[in-house]
Amino acid sequence: AQTVTQSQPEMSVQEAETVTLSCTYDTSESNYYLFWYKQPPSRQMILVIRQEAYKQQNATENRFSVNFQKAAKSFSLKISDSQLGDTAMYFCAFMKHEGNTPLVFGKGTRLSVIA
Amino acid sequence: NAGVMQNPRHLVRRRGQEARLRCSPMKGHSHVYWYRQLPEEGLKFMVYLQKENIIDESGMPKERFSAEFPKEGPSILRIQQVVRGDSAAYFCASSPPNSYYGYTFGSGTRLTVV
Repeated sequence: AQTVTQSQPEMSVQEAETVTLSCTYDTSESNYYLFWYKQPPSRQMILVIRQEAYKQQNATENRFSVNFQKAAKSFSLKISDSQLGDTAMYFCAFMKHEGNTPLVFGKGTRLSVIA
Repeated sequence: NAGVMQNPRHLVRRRGQEARLRCSPMKGHSHVYWYRQLPEEGLKFMVYLQKENIIDESGMPKERFSAEFPKEGPSILRIQQVVRGDSAAYFCASSPPNSYYGYTFGSGTRLTVV
């Protein structure tokens, strides 16, 4: 079974600064997908970024980028130029390569962006 | 495209009553997933359905919980004889077939058992 671990329950960052959220996972699969989801106070789960394990290049979406280290089973999220609207819970998630399989989530990191 | 619609947004039930949570997937999505989120926890998978079929219910409690996704209409998650421990946010997500891009989530139903 796959497990996802987020070791930072809470973090804070000053507006306009950069912050990195950690995620590690455990799997015996060689091919899979990794995701970061954002959950603001509205409770809506919003996909932030996606990484395919067979791609060595780290995914980037505007101010959001990942550091994917497959051998270390590490998948951290970097948020640059943090904005107040980035305040939310952030969840790391794993999905097997077959597709249409359940996402496995970590417990989340609560990020507060401070003005 | 209205996205994944869940209702009600909030549901209060007394212990022993039944709770019915509804989920209408995005247009064109034929796969539905239900997740439960306890306070300060991540989302835990419960069940995965396609139209008229349960594909994977490995995360569903064996008693009191059931799910369906009929040919017509929304997917329903039913909790019979609710207990205080069932209080949580229940999320539905949907995807098209052969999806590798994660899922689209609804805004969840917060169930409170009093």
